[in-house]
Amino acid sequence: GIQVEQSPPDLILQEGANSTLRCNFSDSVNNLQWFHQNPWGQLINLFYIPSGTKQNGRLSATTVATERYSLLYISSSQTTDSGVYFCAVEIRAGKSTFGDGTTLTVKP
Amino acid sequence: GAVVSQHPSWVICKSGTSVKIECRSLDFQATTMFWYRQFPKQSLMLMATSNEGSKATYEQGVEKDKFLINHASLTLSTLTVTSAHPEDSSFYICSGWYGSNGGELFFGEGSRLTVL
Repeated sequence: GIQVEQSPPDLILQEGANSTLRCNFSDSVNNLQWFHQNPWGQLINLFYIPSGTKQNGRLSATTVATERYSLLYISSSQTTDSGVYFCAVEIRAGKSTFGDGTTLTVKP
Repeated sequence: GAVVSQHPSWVICKSGTSVKIECRSLDFQATTMFWYRQFPKQSLMLMATSNEGSKATYEQGVEKDKFLINHASLTLSTLTVTSAHPEDSSFYICSGWYGSNGGELFFGEGSRLTVL
């Protein structure tokens, strides 16, 4: 099956710093999503981004489908950004495979 | 975005009992829903695809007789963990697939099951 690798696995930042999270996938995919899992386990939709670049406030994402990777940028990080960030790639009809996640800790 | 609600959020049960978890799409019709399982500090693992009006499709290694899935309406899918044992303790999360051109996954709040 398709392999989804996220890096780095863990990231510790000081508040205000910028960061880049990466998601590599091993095969062509229909779509790609980025999620933030909060401490209570809820998955928050960040981006639906099969290709191209999108921005939402301090967050932006870029997917280069031909090279099979996606990047999530977090600028001016805040403590509330802490949590686990997952990318999920859709193989077909919504069926998706998740990466192992990046655990982000933002210190005040 | 679309809203998916899951209930209960927490459940504790005795070994050998069955537990039902409900997943509802509140503002869209979900012909397809997905059930995931997540162990502490691990990723989400797809358990099964739930299709309205038909049998669920289970991923390899998932016991369909242990994890019964019913998708009787366009807004409700249920997961029943039958004869639960401590090793079934986990975080179970459902998602609805919503969108016309392609689609986007929207997740419920998750249900944390503890089997004593």
